[in-house]
Amino acid sequence: AQSVTQLGSHVSVSEGALVLLRCNYSSSVPPYLFWYVQYPNQGLQLLLKYTSAATLVKGINGFEAEFKKSETSFHLTKPSAHMSDAAEYFCAVSLAGGTSYGKLTFGQGTILTVHP
Amino acid sequence: NAGVTQTPKFRVLKTGQSMTLLCAQDMNHEYMYWYRQDPGMGLRLIHYSVGEGTTAKGEVPDGYNVSRLKKQNFLLGLESAAPSQTSVYFCASSYSSRGGNQPQHFGDGTRLSIL
Repeated sequence: AQSVTQLGSHVSVSEGALVLLRCNYSSSVPPYLFWYVQYPNQGLQLLLKYTSAATLVKGINGFEAEFKKSETSFHLTKPSAHMSDAAEYFCAVSLAGGTSYGKLTFGQGTILTVHP
Repeated sequence: NAGVTQTPKFRVLKTGQSMTLLCAQDMNHEYMYWYRQDPGMGLRLIHYSVGEGTTAKGEVPDGYNVSRLKKQNFLLGLESAAPSQTSVYFCASSYSSRGGNQPQHFGDGTRLSIL
């Protein structure tokens, strides 16, 4: 079985500051990892995904994440926050191979607030 | 390009009533999923389907039924609604991938309140 833990249910940064959202996973087999963003009253949009190629993954809107197997982490970063980044962010894992059928296990979410 | 469309967007039910949530996708995806989102719990998988005519249970299937009679549609039913089923329901779809590396595309959700 797999699980995802997002450290910090709320993160607050100033506009222009570094954004760091933490995600740790547990998985018995090699995982695929995803970050999704949810704006108010909308569905989830894919930010980026790790599927066993490069460990540093670049996504949309200037976000990137690094897969660190030794730390079982997949933290999301952005060098300079923008007001439009305010949203809820979800880390998710699916299992590689077998009969996973792409089923996702989500973390509990982190709400990012950006102050002027 | 509609993507994943969910209907209705909002609904209020009384305990014991039944209803069906409809999900439609126009991307010719094989896989479809139903999740529920509750505060502080992320999204949890209710049921999923890997093709027309097939369905399977997810993490929290009790109290729900699903059907996939057409490839583009995935229906979620509540036979006897309970207050514990008050939630936001999301449908998602993806290309087939036994390996699990295909991203899912989400609808905008159905906000369901059970009184």
